[in-house]
Amino acid sequence: EIVLTQSPGTLSLSPGERATLSCRASQSVTHSYLAWYQQKPGQAPRLLIYGASSRATGIPDRFSGSGSGTDFTLTISRLEPEDFAVYYCQQYSTSPRTFGQGTKVEIK
Amino acid sequence: QLQLQESGPGLVKPSETLSLTCSVSGHSFTCSGCYWGWIRQPPGKELEWIGTIYHTGRTYYNPSLESRVLMSVNPSENHFSLKLRSLTATDTAMYYCALGLWYFNLWGRGTLVTVSS
Repeated sequence: EIVLTQSPGTLSLSPGERATLSCRASQSVTHSYLAWYQQKPGQAPRLLIYGASSRATGIPDRFSGSGSGTDFTLTISRLEPEDFAVYYCQQYSTSPRTFGQGTKVEIK
Repeated sequence: QLQLQESGPGLVKPSETLSLTCSVSGHSFTCSGCYWGWIRQPPGKELEWIGTIYHTGRTYYNPSLESRVLMSVNPSENHFSLKLRSLTATDTAMYYCALGLWYFNLWGRGTLVTVSS
């Protein structure tokens, strides 16, 4: 199975700053079949990005995804207070679908 | 508006079978291309895909759990179910149901299942 490794584990930033989150796969994720989710405490994950770069319905354009092959990035251009959360990547190019261990974006 | 709601016991004993149900409202359960999945998250750990089912009953399981998992659908009642047998403490997790085959567009709020005697 494809193992996804996210970095950093924790990102300490201030509102208004830019956040760059990395997701690296143990083997190539074909067709850029990679998704990103946001999870806040006590809540279910919310889909942000699919196909590596397509925003899900209702997701603000400050969220953007990029990458291909084994290296993917989620960028939040300007952090809003509601963006402080844990972010997970997930690949769906091979079965089983697998998730990364998450990156926590916390207020500095 | 589509909503998903998990239900089931909060506490189950080791070696027993967990049974969970996900009720779907606000949308046709049998819509074309609508696949329904289960994902779990042990406390403080990452998410793990359990399996996905189509309203026809076709299933896709995580190989690591396949020997213990059974998913089923009940279109007339707009719900689908998960059974996980031979439970151990490592099955303690928040269990989510979700819409999606490859990635998951919408999730339920989750139900916490603790495996303990």
